[in-house]
Amino acid sequence: DAKTTQPPSMDCAEGRAANLPCNHSTISGNEYVYWYRQIHSQGPQYIIHGLKNNETNEMASLIITEDRKSSTLILPHATLRDTAVYYCIVRVVYTGTASKLTFGTGTRLQVTL
Amino acid sequence: NAGVMQNPRHLVRRRGQEARLRCSPMKGHSHVYWYRQLPEEGLKFMVYLQKENIIDESGMPKERFSAEFPKEGPSILRIQQVVRGDSAAYFCASSPRAYEQYFGPGTRLTVT
Repeated sequence: DAKTTQPPSMDCAEGRAANLPCNHSTISGNEYVYWYRQIHSQGPQYIIHGLKNNETNEMASLIITEDRKSSTLILPHATLRDTAVYYCIVRVVYTGTASKLTFGTGTRLQVTL
Repeated sequence: NAGVMQNPRHLVRRRGQEARLRCSPMKGHSHVYWYRQLPEEGLKFMVYLQKENIIDESGMPKERFSAEFPKEGPSILRIQQVVRGDSAAYFCASSPRAYEQYFGPGTRLTVT
C-alpha cells in the first residue's frame, strides 16, 4: 500500500470548515483513498473513501486531485465532537477480497470554541 | 443492526497468565481483523480472518499469539503467558466484503 503524509496537527474553530490534507504521491491506479478517525481512545470510525471522483456523504466530503497524488477531507461545519485523530489510508481493494488497513500517525484535529 | 461487539472491555492479567479477547462481527460480516494500539502509538494490523481461515497473519508476533474465527461463535484473539509489553488496546474490525471496515470499542489489556 502507498505511503501517506499528513500534518501532525491542526486547529479549527467550531462552525467553520475543517480541511485536512493528505499527500499520497506514490498511489497506484488501483488504490483507493480512505479516511478514518479515532475519537480519544475509541475504535476508529470509517468516514469516507474514493478512487478518483470526489465523494460526499453525511459526514464529510473527499476531494481527490486529478493526478490522485493528494486529497483533502472536508468537514463542512466542524463541532467539538469532531476533535479526533484523522487517518488517511490508501489501499488496494479487490472485489471479494479484503485487505488490512495500514494506519500512519494521522492528523490530530482540535476543534475550539 | 448492532455494531461490532468486543468483550471484555477491560482485562487485567498478571504476567504469565493467558488473555482471551472476543470479537463478534456485525451481522452478515464474514471478514474479521485484529489491530493493536500500544500507548501513545497508532494502530498496527495483526491478523485477518474469514470463517475458519486465517487469510493474513503478517502482523502477528511469532510466539504466544493466536487467533481463530470458528464457523460458529465469535473470533478469539489469544495471548499466552502475557508480559507487560502486551498491555495495549486491541481492536477488532469486521467487513462484509472488500470495502470499509467497522471497528469495535476495543479491549484494554493491562498486564501487572
